[in-house]
Amino acid sequence: QSVLTQPPSASGTPGQRVTISCSGSSSNIGINYVFWYQQLSGTAPKLLIYRNNQRPSGVPDRFSGSKSGTSASLAISGLRSEDESDYYCAAWDDSVSGVVFGGGTKLTVL
Amino acid sequence: QVQLQQWGAGLLKPSETLSLTCAVYGGSFSGYYWSWIRQPPGKGLEWIGEIIHSGSTNYNPSLKSRVNISLDTSKNQFSLNLTSVTATDTAVYYCARSPLTSVRGVIKTGWLDPWGQGTLVTVSS
Repeated sequence: QSVLTQPPSASGTPGQRVTISCSGSSSNIGINYVFWYQQLSGTAPKLLIYRNNQRPSGVPDRFSGSKSGTSASLAISGLRSEDESDYYCAAWDDSVSGVVFGGGTKLTVL
Repeated sequence: QVQLQQWGAGLLKPSETLSLTCAVYGGSFSGYYWSWIRQPPGKGLEWIGEIIHSGSTNYNPSLKSRVNISLDTSKNQFSLNLTSVTATDTAVYYCARSPLTSVRGVIKTGWLDPWGQGTLVTVSS
């Protein structure tokens, strides 16, 4: 049982816009930054979004992050086949003084 | 470009101690937290803990009694020890760098970049 809640799966067709939600609480997302990670099959996770909505250099602007209250979202526009991956949200949690992750969302490009 | 390279024993018996080391190449060792994360086969990510160059640590409460993270600043390396392993500790273990983030004057992490390549550790009798 993950502290942050994500849908286990999401899907879309090429060119579509998809969003992945991440729900938390007042001790994590509600007061701290949210980070998103992409994990392609068989590889280490890679930072996709930091501080709620900032993209590291090299991450396409098709990826965007947002936060409202105790929830956050990752949006992917212009979906491409190479976006098929697992996506994880993460945040610091004041109640455990540590980092907590969502359970991950498997994105399928149909 | 900072790179992390990790190594350690991949097969352990129950009750043994897991030991992994992560070397940092191409960047400063100070000014960051250095983290360990694990991922059981087919499951999600679990944060294990972190250490900063001063030696201060934060651990996942569920693992705290068995975990020790240490660092060797002379070699730009940090290590993970997890004692009394069982089959439930079977996972791919990753190391990662954690830039410091200030939230209302308090340092917090969650920002993990870059990551090591991962080490599969299997616990089996």
